[in-house]
Amino acid sequence: EVQLEQSGGGLVKPGGSLRLSCAGSGFTFTNAWITWVRQVPGKGPEWVGRVKSKTSGGMIEYAAPVKGRFTVSRDDSEATVYLQMNNLKTEDTAVYYCTMGLCTGASCHWDDAFEIWGQGTMVTVSP
Amino acid sequence: QSALTQPPSASGSPGQSVTISCTGSSSDVGRYNYVSWYRQHPGKAPKLIIYEVTKRPSGVPDRFSGSKSGNTASLTVSGLQTEDEADYFCSSYAGIPNIALFGGGTKLTVL
Repeated sequence: EVQLEQSGGGLVKPGGSLRLSCAGSGFTFTNAWITWVRQVPGKGPEWVGRVKSKTSGGMIEYAAPVKGRFTVSRDDSEATVYLQMNNLKTEDTAVYYCTMGLCTGASCHWDDAFEIWGQGTMVTVSP
Repeated sequence: QSALTQPPSASGSPGQSVTISCTGSSSDVGRYNYVSWYRQHPGKAPKLIIYEVTKRPSGVPDRFSGSKSGNTASLTVSGLQTEDEADYFCSSYAGIPNIALFGGGTKLTVL
């Protein structure tokens, strides 16, 4: 079964740091582009960042509100992607999901159709 | 304020059809045929139900259909069932650097 299993998260004060992990199984992790999405409860999701596979160049993109504070990285030997969050702000409070695009036949919709989702992890930034 | 605009709520009776709109701009919905729709039940992760405007992933019933005209995409749910009561989000590819934009969500109530 294709799965993304998340860990990390919790309560942190403004200015603090947290690291989220997203471990993949049931698929060829080295080929996967992994995206982080966050969602304030009761609101729409927000795209946070994405890391391409190393075979696709490994490029990482970030949303403007987190650029310079958040870092996405991957360890293919552990089949895990990380989201390092520094200088956290109260507005970063949300449920964070890692997600992966839909693959059909020979093509994958890495950036436009998110089929596999982690279970989500709550990040609360509060004084 | 979300990047894509959806009505906050929609409703219908079992067996009826309901359509949810999603309005973006010429830089996202209007430019790319990469609109997707997600259904989300409380406390659960979103589930992909439509991609590339009109396509359904394996296992999604044909009661769900998508369309697009200009900068507005739409999701139609036909033959409403109680399990369809959920939040629905649209998303559009928006290129670098924004990649993916989401709507604020529509809460569908099955009366």
